[in-house]
Amino acid sequence: AQSVAQPEDQVNVAEGNPLTVKCTYSVSGNPYLFWYVQYPNRGLQFLLKYITGDNLVKGSYGFEAEFNKSQTSFHLKKPSALVSDSALYFCAVRDAISGSARQLTFGSGTQLTVLP
Amino acid sequence: DSGVTQTPKHLITATGQRVTLRCSPRSGDLSVYWYQQSLDQGLQFLIQYYNGEERAKGNILERFSAQQFPDLHSELNLSSLELGDSALYFCASSEHSGDNSPLHFGNGTRLTVT
Repeated sequence: AQSVAQPEDQVNVAEGNPLTVKCTYSVSGNPYLFWYVQYPNRGLQFLLKYITGDNLVKGSYGFEAEFNKSQTSFHLKKPSALVSDSALYFCAVRDAISGSARQLTFGSGTQLTVLP
Repeated sequence: DSGVTQTPKHLITATGQRVTLRCSPRSGDLSVYWYQQSLDQGLQFLIQYYNGEERAKGNILERFSAQQFPDLHSELNLSSLELGDSALYFCASSEHSGDNSPLHFGNGTRLTVT
């Protein structure tokens, strides 16, 4: 079975400060990991993904995420937060093992608020 | 703009009724996915179609059904509606199936069952 946890429902950060949105996962094999962002009244938008290779993945809008296999984590980061980054962020995982569920499992979401 | 179109944007109906939600995938995408988003259950995968064929089933109730037509648009049918079916229903599309291409989401249909 595959699962993903976002331990924080809400993250507040001041504009210009670095931000981190946490995500941990559980899979049987190797993970495929994704981050999506949802703005009010909109669908989810893809930010970045980790499939294999470099543990630091860079994505859209200056976001990056670090894959840590030993801690089974894939935290989303940005060096300097913008007020416009305020949104709902979802981590998602899929198990790479053949025969496992191929669908993405999404976390419960983390509401990021960047304060001016 | 993701290129995925969902209609209608809002739907208000009564318990026991039946509704149809429509989705046009992004041009060139063969896979269509349906998700339900609610406050208590988060984002739940319902069903996936690839090039007209059902590919995977998730937490979809028997009262719900879907199909993908030859022009690749998809419809999600919800029947015998209950208050608990009130949610945001998202359609997403991707180029292929079972690979790691990103999903492109529509803006959703907000269903309110009264």
